[in-house]
Amino acid sequence: NAGVTQTPKFRILKIGQSMTLQCAQDMNHNYMYWYRQDPGMGLKLIYYSVGAGITDKGEVPNGYNVSRSTTEDFPLRLELAAPSQTSVYFCASSYSTGWNTGELFFGEGSRLTVL
Amino acid sequence: KQEVTQIPAALSVPEGENLVLNCSFTDSAIYNLQWFRQDPGKGLTSLLLIQSSQREQTSGRLNASLDKSSGRSTLYIAASQPGDSATYLCAVGDFYGQNFVFGPGTRLSVLP
Repeated sequence: NAGVTQTPKFRILKIGQSMTLQCAQDMNHNYMYWYRQDPGMGLKLIYYSVGAGITDKGEVPNGYNVSRSTTEDFPLRLELAAPSQTSVYFCASSYSTGWNTGELFFGEGSRLTVL
Repeated sequence: KQEVTQIPAALSVPEGENLVLNCSFTDSAIYNLQWFRQDPGKGLTSLLLIQSSQREQTSGRLNASLDKSSGRSTLYIAASQPGDSATYLCAVGDFYGQNFVFGPGTRLSVLP
């Protein structure tokens, strides 16, 4: 099993450009998440999804959009990139039943620099 | 709003020592708590998951405890090794199980 796969691993954007970070999981997990990690800080939740067709905002959603058309894929779109979006982005997934939330599995991360 | 802190921010110990990492959270209405390891430039690897109804979990040389009433969890590492050097993060799952709030991490260095 590949687990959680993120692409690209590195990307440099100019201010105002747009791009999509891809995330795919092959564990049939229902929950998927996007986090960003800034130096010296914990991870902050951007968006999450509890199943195909359902998404919701996390703590820091401004400047981002997501979609969840399939169980496997959860892309994160950055519109009009700004220097404040320079960060490392992590996608994660888990299997949750409502009574028990399973452990989080993470991708390797996507390092984004906006100049 | 749930807030998670971890003390100390950094820790350096000689090989073979037993050590404890601390995680504190402000809202005791949690679903679960998870400890992760992160190596430089890498993603997070799950170490232990404790459900809110449990008091502790063990895996090899690692033992994690949870005290919801006091808003604390500890990660105990026995007989530390240089390969244990990494950043350790705790994350608290909210009551609906839909969000995890992360602490800033403790950077551990185990010296040979």
